[in-house]
Amino acid sequence: EDKVVQSPLSLVVHEGDTVTLNCSYEVTNFRSLLWYKQEKKAPTFLFMLTSSGIEKKSGRLSSILDKKELFSILNITATQTGDSAIYLCAVDRYGGSQGNLIFGKGTKLSVKP
Amino acid sequence: DAGITQSPRYKITETGRQVTLMCHQTWSHSYMFWYRQDLGHGLRLIYYSAAADITDKGEVPDGYVVSRSKTENFPLTLESATRSQTSVYFCASTDGGNEKLFFGSGTQLSVL
Repeated sequence: EDKVVQSPLSLVVHEGDTVTLNCSYEVTNFRSLLWYKQEKKAPTFLFMLTSSGIEKKSGRLSSILDKKELFSILNITATQTGDSAIYLCAVDRYGGSQGNLIFGKGTKLSVKP
Repeated sequence: DAGITQSPRYKITETGRQVTLMCHQTWSHSYMFWYRQDLGHGLRLIYYSAAADITDKGEVPDGYVVSRSKTENFPLTLESATRSQTSVYFCASTDGGNEKLFFGSGTQLSVL
């Protein structure tokens, strides 16, 4: 059965800390891995990763994929209280229906002042 | 700049009642989706639609019905609500690329 596992499930840090969120997966016909940020309600897209070893970066956030070891990490440097959110990892598969992403349970990040 | 909107934001109903959750998008996206989000399960796909009049089941379709008579609307109906359908429901849309999956703000449904 295809699955996506995120760790840790929750994390509390202080402003300025650097955090690493983990996402491992076991899926057939892997196509891409996506990261979303969910604050109040709607998840918003962060990154899509398809190739191993190529870092995607956006400001203080970065992510990389390892297709051999079947995982991805999301790094956030110099955390701010506005980074507090649930971070969702999802995997898309070839042959899967469009939009039928498999989501992990998410990592709840709390950044204290 | 409406984007994708869901209504209602909150809904309380009783078991056995029929409930319809609305989803409307203004981008003319071909694909629309309904997910539910539950503690311990994450987001799970209920139904999706590739175009008007084309719908298909996702991972957890039982107890739900969808229709898509117009590209911009994708209502989700619980024909006879059960307590296990208490959840937060998200509608999403895309023009074809999963990296541009846009989510609505969600509907929090409680079935008593």
